[in-house]
Amino acid sequence: QVQLHESGPGLVNPSETLSLTCTVSGGSIKSYYWSWIRQTPGKGLEWIGYVYYSGRTKYNPSLQSRVTISLDMSGNQLSLKLSSVTAADTALYYCVGASQWELLFDLWGQGALVTVSS
Amino acid sequence: EIVLTQSPVTLSLSPGERATLSCRASQSVPNKFLAWYQQKPGQAPRLLIYAASTRATGIPDRFSGSGSGTGFTLTISRLEHEDFAVYYCQQYDSSTFGQGTKVEIK
Repeated sequence: QVQLHESGPGLVNPSETLSLTCTVSGGSIKSYYWSWIRQTPGKGLEWIGYVYYSGRTKYNPSLQSRVTISLDMSGNQLSLKLSSVTAADTALYYCVGASQWELLFDLWGQGALVTVSS
Repeated sequence: EIVLTQSPVTLSLSPGERATLSCRASQSVPNKFLAWYQQKPGQAPRLLIYAASTRATGIPDRFSGSGSGTGFTLTISRLEHEDFAVYYCQQYDSSTFGQGTKVEIK
């Protein structure tokens, strides 16, 4: 059974870079498209972007200029970097897998809360 | 961007009743790429339905989906206590989510 665990700082200063890592255990990292999705009370669920083991990436156009998603195949880890953050980036960030279609999300981590504040 | 609008915002029902949730798209959803998710407090969303009407693995048959084009429906035939939660629709052609419908105990 594949499990996901997000980790990273829970507090980030405005204008800095938010960095999160997701560790994949119990399964092959090649079997999924790996996305980050965030959730806020105001905007709801927002897809940030994905990476595939081939190196292919796709990002939400609204965030594309600030986002980098990458895979560490040897470490079975997925990472998210979001630059120039503001309070609007405060959210619960989920690591998510899609096994049947690239944007159909059938595997979710428990989420990591990130607050942007000085 | 395809905007999804869910209604109602809140649905107050009793266990055993039928729940009907609506999801309207601002433009036609290609290939019926419409999914439904359930989210309980403190948990991540869980995939219920994809391709508008196909139940995901392990989902009970009291959950059913229908629709095409710009109008989709999630029906829960007889509500059980564990079904009281927030439900989101998502179009997975380019990935946008609706704002959610909360099904609460009346």
